[in-house]
Parts: sequence; C-alpha cells; structure tokens
Amino acid sequence: DGGITQSPKYLFRKEGQNVTLSCEQNLNHDAMYWYRQDPGQGLRLIYYSQIVNDFQKGDIAEGYSVSREKKESFPLTVTSAQKNPTAFYLCASSIGAGGGYTFGSGTRLTVV
Amino acid sequence: AQSVTQLDSHVSVSEGTPVLLRCNYSSSYSPSLFWYVQHPNKGLQLLLKYTSAATLVKGINGFEAEFKKSETSFHLTKPSAHMSDAAEYFCVVNPRYSSASKIIFGSGTRLSIRP
Repeated sequence: DGGITQSPKYLFRKEGQNVTLSCEQNLNHDAMYWYRQDPGQGLRLIYYSQIVNDFQKGDIAEGYSVSREKKESFPLTVTSAQKNPTAFYLCASSIGAGGGYTFGSGTRLTVV
Repeated sequence: AQSVTQLDSHVSVSEGTPVLLRCNYSSSYSPSLFWYVQHPNKGLQLLLKYTSAATLVKGINGFEAEFKKSETSFHLTKPSAHMSDAAEYFCVVNPRYSSASKIIFGSGTRLSIRP
C-alpha cells in the first residue's frame, strides 16, 4: 500500500545536538512538506519541496534544515539553533497544487 | 487574503446525537476544501474533500460536509456520534491557483463524546 513513513515515532534529543527526522513516501508525489504541531495548536509549515533538489522555507524555518535528493525522501534536521524543538512533527506529500495532502504518522521530539 | 476559521475550539456531544463542526473560509478563488481528523499522537487522516464537483460531499466514517459559497462555509456533520469519533478535526483551504505553501489550516476543533 502506498503511504508516508515517518521514523522514528519518538525521539529524544539532548540540548545542543542535531537530530534528523526521516520521511519517505511511495506515492510518487512531487511535493513534500514538514509541519510542526504544538499542543492545542494548528500546524505550522517549516519547509516544503515541490521538486527534487529544490525546497523553500515555510513560516518557521529558523533552526531547521532539509534536503530533497530523491523524490521519495525529505529528511528534516532539527539543529541546535532551534531553541524550542520539543513538538510533534508531521511530514506530508501531495500530487501538486490544489490537491489534498497525505500525512505521515508523525514524530514526537522531546529535548531532555 | 485567504483564511479559514473554525468557529469552535471544543465541541462536546453525547453518543448517538448529531455532530456539527463549523468552518468558514475566505478565498478570492474557488478553493479546494478539506476536513482532516487527528487522533492523539497520530498523523492527520483525510475525511473528505470538496473540489468543485457536488456541493454535498460524503466522507469516511459517516461524515459529510456541504460547501455553501453564499455563506463561505464548509461545515462538517455526522448524524450520530460514536465514541471513536473523539479526536481533533481540522478544516483546510487550498487555493487551487497557488503553490503548496499557501495551503491554510484551521486552528482545529476538539470533539469530545459523552457516553
């Protein structure tokens, strides 16, 4: 079955460390996205990519980085510059503008 | 400017009674509209979508929504609530002219079901 796989489900990071969240899709979607969700809040866009080897900053890109070397993969790195990284991170993909999104099951990142 | 407003942050209904989750949108173009459901610590699952075909859209799990252009609304309804419906619901607007970055999420409505 086609879908989006995020790993790990839970991730713990020490202060000052970089961590990378994985997102893989086998839907043949061109566009992929990373969102951050904080308790009781909606989703905020971190980065998005509409095509391989190209990506754009979303609304809250500071302290994050991404790459899009393959169509299927869009990993997110949370750097030490992100001062408040504890949150639920959701990856999504879509076939293009105007379409619905398919979401992964999320990664919960906690700073310890 | 494009926007989406979910009018209730929390809705509580008794099991077996109707559900109404309200969503109003603002869009200069004829948008695509979606409802997503999120159970605790899970990703978002698509319930239904409107893309300019029939104005009454049927989704999964007995949910449906009606697109009313005159009222700029896209309210989500279900005739009879089930305990498993307890979750967070998001209304989403996607102006179809735009790039992916312009998709807009509502702030969410938490649905609680009383036994």
